[in-house]
Amino acid sequence: NAGVTQTPKFQVLKTGQSMTLQCAQDMNHEYMSWYRQDPGMGLRLIHYSVGAGITDQGEVPNGYNVSRSTTEDFPLRLLSAAPSQTSVYFCASSPTGHEQYFGPGTRLTVT
Amino acid sequence: QQQVKQSPQSLIVQKGGISIINCAYENTAFDYFPWYQQFPGKGPALLIAIRPDVSEKKEGRFTISFNKSAKQFSLHIMDSQPGDSATYFCAANQNYGQNFVFGPGTRLSVLP
Repeated sequence: NAGVTQTPKFQVLKTGQSMTLQCAQDMNHEYMSWYRQDPGMGLRLIHYSVGAGITDQGEVPNGYNVSRSTTEDFPLRLLSAAPSQTSVYFCASSPTGHEQYFGPGTRLTVT
Repeated sequence: QQQVKQSPQSLIVQKGGISIINCAYENTAFDYFPWYQQFPGKGPALLIAIRPDVSEKKEGRFTISFNKSAKQFSLHIMDSQPGDSATYFCAANQNYGQNFVFGPGTRLSVLP
């Protein structure tokens, strides 16, 4: 099992550009989530999904879109990048919604 | 009410010593309290977790103590090793992933 994979590992965007962060898991987990990690703030939940076709907002959803067409994939879209979205983004999956298995992260810089 | 507070921000311990990290929460609806370990450049990894109906859980050198009335829980690392040097996050969850909240983290350094 590869577990949770994320691409790309690093990305630099200009303000106003859009992009999609990819996340895939091969553990057949129903629950998937996106977090951002900023210094001194821990991880904050952006969006989550409790199954294919079902998504909902977390604590900091503004500026991000998600969709879940398959159990395996949960992409995160930045609609119009802003410097405030400079962060490390982690995708996670879970069999129950409690224990989270995290991917290696994507480090995003918006200039 | 959704915040999870964590202390200390950083901790230095000698090899063989005990590392203690504390967390506090306000939302009594939380029903799952995990601890995550994160090494630089890596994603967080689940270390140990506890439910509110249990006061203590031990896995190897790692123990969670849970005080429901005080709304506090702590991580104890016994016989701390240099390989334990990492950032530790406490967290709390309710409704199976719909309200996952993390503490700000504690950077632990274990000196050889």
